[in-house]
Amino acid sequence: QVQLEESGGGVVQAGRSVRLSCAASGFSLSRYTMHWVRQAPGKGLEWVAFISYDGRDKYYADSVKGRFTISRDNSKNTMYLEMNSLRPEDTAVYYCARKDQQLKMNVYYYYMDVWGRGTTVTVSS
Amino acid sequence: DIQMTQSPSSLSASVGDRVTITCRASQNIGTYLNWYLQKRGKAPKLLIYAASSLQSGAPSRFSGSGSGTDFTLTISSLQPEDIAIYYCQQSYSNLDTFGQGTKLEIK
Repeated sequence: QVQLEESGGGVVQAGRSVRLSCAASGFSLSRYTMHWVRQAPGKGLEWVAFISYDGRDKYYADSVKGRFTISRDNSKNTMYLEMNSLRPEDTAVYYCARKDQQLKMNVYYYYMDVWGRGTTVTVSS
Repeated sequence: DIQMTQSPSSLSASVGDRVTITCRASQNIGTYLNWYLQKRGKAPKLLIYAASSLQSGAPSRFSGSGSGTDFTLTISSLQPEDIAIYYCQQSYSNLDTFGQGTKLEIK
């Protein structure tokens, strides 16, 4: 069964750090690019970060750049999000998502086809 | 960054109605546009990718269209289980962005 499971969330004080994990099962993580997406309470989805297959390429939303670090360990089938200098506005449910691709009319298209259930991070001031 | 704007922000319709949600990109994204639905308390779920391709397992009453900057998600006959928030997302750039969401309710 293909699935992702996030862990590591909790209540943390502003300025502190937390590390989220995303464990994949039912498929090989190394075959996919991966993302973190978050959702603040009562708000919409916000893309947070991307990591390439081998971890060499990483991209971040401006709101987290310089504070968050995405990484992966394909041998453990696990992805991570190291979150430093946390702010109250980082309070959210954090989802990991697998990005798959489909060839359509000789062009590759990309979409997030598998999502975890999410882990909640609450940053207290 | 590419901005995605959905309209309307909320929508109320009756069972059996045809429902349309639109999404506009701040620049040309070709057909690199995906649609997701999110039910209350659940993770998002992929509905449509590449603007018009139905994800495996998604009901055939859902369809997508558009290219460039303007896109549409259509539900041909609204069902009670379609109550959700719908999001568009562009995958044109390495920095993915989502629309703000459209909340769909049943009258």
